[in-house]
Amino acid sequence: AQTVTQSQPEMSVQEAETVTLSCTYDTSENNYYLFWYKQPPSRQMILVIRQEAYKQQNATENRFSVNFQKAAKSFSLKISDSQLGDTAMYFCAFMKHAAAGNKLTFGGGTRVLVKP
Amino acid sequence: DGGITQSPKYLFRKEGQNVTLSCEQNLNHDAMYWYRQDPGQGLRLIYYSQIVNDFQKGDIAEGYSVSREKKESFPLTVTSAQKNPTAFYLCASSIGGTESNYGYTFGSGTRLTVV
Repeated sequence: AQTVTQSQPEMSVQEAETVTLSCTYDTSENNYYLFWYKQPPSRQMILVIRQEAYKQQNATENRFSVNFQKAAKSFSLKISDSQLGDTAMYFCAFMKHAAAGNKLTFGGGTRVLVKP
Repeated sequence: DGGITQSPKYLFRKEGQNVTLSCEQNLNHDAMYWYRQDPGQGLRLIYYSQIVNDFQKGDIAEGYSVSREKKESFPLTVTSAQKNPTAFYLCASSIGGTESNYGYTFGSGTRLTVV
């Protein structure tokens, strides 16, 4: 079974600065997908960014980028130019390629607080 | 607008009672999922359904039941056999098949409290 670990329960960052969230996962699969989801105080889950394991290029979405290290099974999220609206729980998630059910396995989450 | 609707937003249940959480989507998605979220923790999969009239247990299915009689609907029943039902419940959907690897769309959740 796949496991996803987020080792930082909480992080704080000053507005306009950069913060990096770590995520490691354990799998024997070669093809899979990785995701970062954001859960603001409203508790609505929002997809932030997605990475395909067979693509070496790191995914980027505006101020959000990832550092995907396949050999190390590491998938960190960098938030640049942090904004107050980035305050949220962030979850790393894993999905096997072409697996029955396409189930997402989530890490325990990192709470990010952006300070003015 | 297309999306997933979960109702009610807050639900209170007495011990020993069954309760059903509603999840409806108008995204024409084939696959639907139920997750449980406890305070300060990640999401754990309860049940999932890839197609109408078919569903499978997730990692923590004990004490829960589901049905999938319509594509749009995937209700979750929390039975009296669930020993610790107080939690936040999230419903999600995805297109299905290989397209599901683009991720899920989530509802806004139901907060269940046992009193």
